[in-house]
Amino acid sequence: AQSVTQPDIHITVSEGASLELRCNYSYGATPYLFWYVQSPGQGLQLLLKYFSGDTLVQGIKGFEAEFKRSQSSFNLRKPSVHWSDAAEYFCAVGARGGATNKLIFGTGTLLAVQP
Amino acid sequence: DTGVSQNPRHKITKRGQNVTFRCDPISEHNRLYWYRQTLGQGPEFLTYFQNEAQLEKSRLLSDRFSAERPKGSFSTLEIQRTEQGDSAMYLCASSPRQGGNSPLHFGNGTRLTVT
Repeated sequence: AQSVTQPDIHITVSEGASLELRCNYSYGATPYLFWYVQSPGQGLQLLLKYFSGDTLVQGIKGFEAEFKRSQSSFNLRKPSVHWSDAAEYFCAVGARGGATNKLIFGTGTLLAVQP
Repeated sequence: DTGVSQNPRHKITKRGQNVTFRCDPISEHNRLYWYRQTLGQGPEFLTYFQNEAQLEKSRLLSDRFSAERPKGSFSTLEIQRTEQGDSAMYLCASSPRQGGNSPLHFGNGTRLTVT
């Protein structure tokens, strides 16, 4: 069965510091991979996605993620965090082939940013 | 593109009452999804529509839940005889086409509290 693991429930970083949020997935083949961000009381906004090709993908707001097939990982990174990045981050996988866009989400990582 | 719109934003109801939520997807998106998100968890898939056809329902969608998309535009999610365990954020998403490489666009959700 497909699953997504985000091992870090809560992370605190200082403003200006670098950030890496971990995501591991379990899937029979290489899935489509996504990172979404959710601000309090809001819906989810797509940060970036990986479908194929270059394993380092760039997203909005200065975020990037690297797909590592050997580790079944898709970690999210940002070189310098801003206070406005405080939010909850969700990694998700989608099935290749088939008709559905259904996504399986991880449990999220809550990011706090210290001044 | 006005985004996915959900109403109401918040709903408080007493146990045993019926509630209905509405979702207006991005116009011309023929795929519409409902997800449920409980505190500390990622969104969980409930059901999806292609145009007016409901193509998949999760085991999470008990008999008390029903979703419709009568004209292939807006959708409603009704919960009958609400229970305290139904308290959650209900998220709607849409996408323009089938396939896992078509990202979902989420609304801001309806937060349901059952007292």
